[in-house]
Amino acid sequence: EVQLVESGGGLVQPGGSLRLSCAASGFTFSAYSMNWVRQAPGKGLEWISYISSGGSVMYYADSVKGRFTISRDNAKNSLYLEMNGLRAEDTAVYYCARDLMVGPTDYFDYWGQGTLVTVSS
Amino acid sequence: SYELTQPPSVSVSPGQSASITCSGDKLGDKYACWYQQKPGQSPVLVMYLDTKRPSGIPERFSGSKSGNTATLTISGTQAMDEADYYCQAWDSSTASFVFGTGTRVSVL
Repeated sequence: EVQLVESGGGLVQPGGSLRLSCAASGFTFSAYSMNWVRQAPGKGLEWISYISSGGSVMYYADSVKGRFTISRDNAKNSLYLEMNGLRAEDTAVYYCARDLMVGPTDYFDYWGQGTLVTVSS
Repeated sequence: SYELTQPPSVSVSPGQSASITCSGDKLGDKYACWYQQKPGQSPVLVMYLDTKRPSGIPERFSGSKSGNTATLTISGTQAMDEADYYCQAWDSSTASFVFGTGTRVSVL
């Protein structure tokens, strides 16, 4: 059974840093690209970052570019999101999602349960 | 930046059909997928490649696309289908995934 379990969320002050983790199990982690998606309270879904299966290709949404860094450790079946310079508008539930490429496009076939990040003084 | 526009809400009576649209510039050249999100839960994929239904998704869910508008249709809507629905596409020009604005489906 595919499982994605996020951790590392919490309360952080504006300008602070936080590192999220996503532990994967039930599939060959190293064969799949991965993503981070967030959802602010009462708002819609926002994709924020992608990393290829080997970790060599990364994409970011403009809203987090230069502040957030996605990475992975295939030996540990883990995905990470390093978040720096946090702002109040970064407050959200952060989901990791497995990326499945079918033909010319990708979609997210499995999602974790999410971890809440609150940026507030 | 690329945008996908959905109606904020759709209301449907039990047993009737509900259609949710997703519009975007040149969406006709891309593939859309759809996610269902119930309150307090993670999103679940319900449609991919415009019209493909993942295993385990009921047949009452179907997808279509005409021009730059993708549509998710729920036929014979049930109370359990009450949820938020999001379309998504990949925008190669910005190398980013884009979610639609989301549609709340209410079964009244």
